[in-house]
Amino acid sequence: DGGITQSPKYLFRKEGQNVTLSCEQNLNHDAMYWYRQDPGQGLRLIYYSQIVNDFQKGDIAEGYSVSREKKESFPLTVTSAQKNPTAFYLCASSFGTHQETQYFGPGTRLLVL
Amino acid sequence: DAKTTQPPSMDCAEGRAANLPCNHSTISGNEYVYWYRQIHSQGPQYIIHGLKNNETNEMASLIITEDRKSSTLILPHATLRDTAVYYCIVRVSGYGGSQGNLIFGKGTKLSVKP
Repeated sequence: DGGITQSPKYLFRKEGQNVTLSCEQNLNHDAMYWYRQDPGQGLRLIYYSQIVNDFQKGDIAEGYSVSREKKESFPLTVTSAQKNPTAFYLCASSFGTHQETQYFGPGTRLLVL
Repeated sequence: DAKTTQPPSMDCAEGRAANLPCNHSTISGNEYVYWYRQIHSQGPQYIIHGLKNNETNEMASLIITEDRKSSTLILPHATLRDTAVYYCIVRVSGYGGSQGNLIFGKGTKLSVKP
């Protein structure tokens, strides 16, 4: 089946720990995105990548890092610098960034212990 | 900030049409209107999008007013599985930077009742 997968579904982080969220797509999409969603709120853009080996900061990039070494993969690292990491993280992809429809993965819920 | 205004919640009876309004009075001529929905604890799902003509697909219809300042998403025969938060998004146009990215507001929580 074609689509976007995110793992794990739930992730627990200890104080001061870095954690990495996985996002993989087999849709042959060029662009990929990471969003954060807090309870009762809309989505906010963290990072996006239009092409392999290139990525740009979104609206709330502080405390996060990404890489785009392969077209299919766009992992997000939540660093210890992110002071309020508890949220629902969503990955998306699209063929391009100009009006193309974005397709979303199932999400990863990150909780801080 | 989101460029759209939606009611925070709506109810609809199962089997009836659900009409979800959206105001986007500052929309530019080359900006599209997109609709997504998000069922609880899942990723958003694309529904439909349009520029100025009305659009229909297997999920819904999109009616855009002639002045493009508002639109309505129509689910013709709502089912319990259509209960979700529905987001109306005006897509900023253009390549490069963050111009192509979606800006999600709080959406409309649609509750379909038996």
